Amino acid sequence: DIQMTQSPSSLSASVGDRVTITCRASQGISNYLAWYQQKPGKVPKFLIYAASTLQSGVPSRFSGSGSGTDFTLTISSLQPEDVATYYCQNYYSAPETFGQGTKVEIK
Amino acid sequence: EVQLVESGGGLVQPGGSLRLSCAASGFSFSSYWMDWVRQAPGKGLVWVSRINGDGSSTSYADSVKGRFTISRDNAKNTLYLQMNSLRVEDTAVYYCARDQGGYDYWGQGALVTVSS
Repeated sequence: DIQMTQSPSSLSASVGDRVTITCRASQGISNYLAWYQQKPGKVPKFLIYAASTLQSGVPSRFSGSGSGTDFTLTISSLQPEDVATYYCQNYYSAPETFGQGTKVEIK
Repeated sequence: EVQLVESGGGLVQPGGSLRLSCAASGFSFSSYWMDWVRQAPGKGLVWVSRINGDGSSTSYADSVKGRFTISRDNAKNTLYLQMNSLRVEDTAVYYCARDQGGYDYWGQGALVTVSS
């Protein structure tokens, strides 16, 4: 099974800061990587697929990059409404494993 | 409008069974792989199972293999998860999700509690 490892597990940043979350796959997954945002008590929201393609309606301050084993999710200017836990997911092969999540808070 | 609505969650004793349903609308259901994902209280997302459009191909997480069965009825636009031999550690919110290479639509979740 492919393991997905996110870092950091949590972070605290100020409004307007640039925030970067890293996701590493235990083996190459090309660009079969998705990112989700989950706010407390809510259903996960689809942010990015194919490692870097923004889902329709997602603010442009979110971006994704990477291929193979190393991926990043960047929030260019953190907003209060971005407080959430972010997950990466491999969909290269089953099991379609998720990372353990990165909790983003406002400082 | 795409909608996924789960039902069938509840409280069950260890060793018991439960069947979750996910009613889909607003899209061509049979054209999509569909998945189940779960989330234990306070924990992260865990992939459970997936099924292809005509139901001929399925896969499962090791933790549920042999106990859970995913199926679909395309005439009824409904996805199912039959859960047998339930364990305390199966306690979670179960989401159905449309798989388009990543999950673009999710249901609201069904809470399954396994407890004596």
